[in-house]
Amino acid sequence: QSVLTQPPSVSAAPGQKVTISCSGSSSNIGNNDVSWYLQVPGTAPKVLIYDNNKRPSGIPDRFSGSKSGTSATLGITGLQTGDEADYYCGTWDRSLSAVVFGGGTKLTVL
Amino acid sequence: QLQLQESGPGLVRPSETLSLTCTVSGGSVRSSNYYWGWIRQPPGKGLEWIGSVAYSGNTYYNPSLNGRVTVSLDPSKNQFSLRLSSLTAADTAVYFCARLPYTHNVMNAWGQGTLVTVSS
Repeated sequence: QSVLTQPPSVSAAPGQKVTISCSGSSSNIGNNDVSWYLQVPGTAPKVLIYDNNKRPSGIPDRFSGSKSGTSATLGITGLQTGDEADYYCGTWDRSLSAVVFGGGTKLTVL
Repeated sequence: QLQLQESGPGLVRPSETLSLTCTVSGGSVRSSNYYWGWIRQPPGKGLEWIGSVAYSGNTYYNPSLNGRVTVSLDPSKNQFSLRLSSLTAADTAVYFCARLPYTHNVMNAWGQGTLVTVSS
């Protein structure tokens, strides 16, 4: 049982837009910045978004992040088959004094 | 460019202690801006943060691991290490090392990961 809640899977057609939600509480998302990671199975996670809505160098602007209250959202536009991967949200939880992650969302581009 | 590389045994026996090392290149573990940490991923499952250490010696550990974890730095070798004791099959996972800012809000550099299997 993950501290942050994500949908297990989402799907959309190539070229379309998809959003992935990440729900938490006041002890984590509500009071700390959120990051998002992409993981192709068998490889290390890669940062897509940090500080809720910032993109590291090299991440295309098709990827966006937002936060409201105790929830965060990752948006991906112009879906490509290469976007098929697992996506994770993460942040610091001040009550647990621990980094917490969502359970991950598998994106399928139909 | 910062690079991290994990090393250690691929197979350990139940009840024993796992020791892994992460070698950092292109950067220094002496940086006051960062923590250095470990994350694991059991086969087919999600990410679990294990613990982090700063050059100051400050550490944070996942409370769910019930005191079995020690993360330490060796600045002379530009490395940091993980020790996880009292292993069970549930500790079988890919173990990643990573760099985190002091806020712990993001892991902005990752090693490639190393698979550790706990089995007799």
